[in-house]
Amino acid sequence: EAGVAQSPRYKIIEKRQSVAFWCNPISGHATLYWYQQILGQGPKLLIQFQNNGVVDDSQLPKDRFSAERLKGVDSTLKIQPAKLEDSAVYLCASSLDPATGYTFGSGTRLTVV
Amino acid sequence: AQSVAQPEDQVNVAEGNPLTVKCTYSVSGNPYLFWYVQYPNRGLQFLLKYITGDNLVKGSYGFEAEFNKSQTSFHLKKPSALVSDSALYFCAVRETNAGKSTFGDGTTLTVKP
Repeated sequence: EAGVAQSPRYKIIEKRQSVAFWCNPISGHATLYWYQQILGQGPKLLIQFQNNGVVDDSQLPKDRFSAERLKGVDSTLKIQPAKLEDSAVYLCASSLDPATGYTFGSGTRLTVV
Repeated sequence: AQSVAQPEDQVNVAEGNPLTVKCTYSVSGNPYLFWYVQYPNRGLQFLLKYITGDNLVKGSYGFEAEFNKSQTSFHLKKPSALVSDSALYFCAVRETNAGKSTFGDGTTLTVKP
């Protein structure tokens, strides 16, 4: 089966600019997650979707971050405006059900200068 | 709230020797436990999981993990380490029926020839 696709792989932007990341999960996986992984730390959940509804966005900085999952398939994560501390790898993952492990994409490495 | 601790930032072992990467967790209910591996410039890959049943679970690449409820631990083990096992390892916990996994900050495993 195809894996979780993410794009772009790398992005460098200046602070206060905006950026968007795209994720296409494994076909049939209803649950989609966006995680932020800062260098030297474990992934931290930003938002969880079940189909096209938000299940958990308690750790999403909503003043600058937004995410959507139209039609319950692809998802986009946007940052506007970006701050230096947003430099991280943004990981998308999907899963079939809570008892299974996640399948992660390769991530998008964001550098804010 | 659920949490994970990986007490060792780095583990060094010689090739052919057994390895252990430690993980302890905290949840209010019954846990689902997972190990993931991350190679340089790659996304996280699922290694193994504990849901219920036998306390010793086997996963990919010859890895296994032992669930110990009284010590709230889920240590990753391998009887004979390979140089190719060198990577970053993450432990994760999810409360039963909860959607999101919480990750530890990772342990860098280095296997020397």
